[in-house]
Amino acid sequence: DVKVTQSSRYLVKRTGEKVFLECVQDMDHENMFWYRQDPGLGLRLIYFSYDVKMKEKGDIPEGYSVSREKKERFSLILESASTNQTSMYLCASSLGSGQGLVGDGYTFGSGTRLTVV
Amino acid sequence: SQQGEEDPQALSIQEGENATMNCSYKTSINNLQWYRQNSGRGLVHLILIRSNEREKHSGRLRVTLDTSKKSSSLLITASRAADTASYFCATLLSGGYNKLIFGAGTRLAVHP
Repeated sequence: DVKVTQSSRYLVKRTGEKVFLECVQDMDHENMFWYRQDPGLGLRLIYFSYDVKMKEKGDIPEGYSVSREKKERFSLILESASTNQTSMYLCASSLGSGQGLVGDGYTFGSGTRLTVV
Repeated sequence: SQQGEEDPQALSIQEGENATMNCSYKTSINNLQWYRQNSGRGLVHLILIRSNEREKHSGRLRVTLDTSKKSSSLLITASRAADTASYFCATLLSGGYNKLIFGAGTRLAVHP
């Protein structure tokens, strides 16, 4: 009954490595999101996508990029991992057929806890 | 800057008691949503209230929204140990893209 799947639960990477975090949803949702969660800061939006090959910057896009080649898959890329990118990364998806439309609640994956050493 | 701010940051109660969490926000919203997160896991959507609604119920959950005060509250009645989790409010802003802005959350501990 899993609907949003994040490829890794825990990940340890070295500083400078290129890191790929994968997210797949099976609900045919248009919108997909990447957040990072840090203690005391809540969830902060990194990037989101409202359609295939479309992407929009969130509040903290620096050091990240994304790819959405297929509707069901949204990848977060850390071009050169740094220790300040150690965090919990959460992927989510929602309905909504375009900009500014109200969707239902988000469905979240279980998260990837990334440690950069 | 955070759109939603929850209060209190932490809440500790006994089973059977009611738990109330509050959320304030800054700008006009389309809707407000509450989520629960069990330790180290993803968030689970609990309830959504639209800007033209004042109160909504779902099982033991009651959410109120006061757009004039830019605030919302989540009430969990007859709490259980299984309700122990972090609770987040999230706002969908009016206009613009369909993206939610989350607050920092309230940590609820329900003791048997």
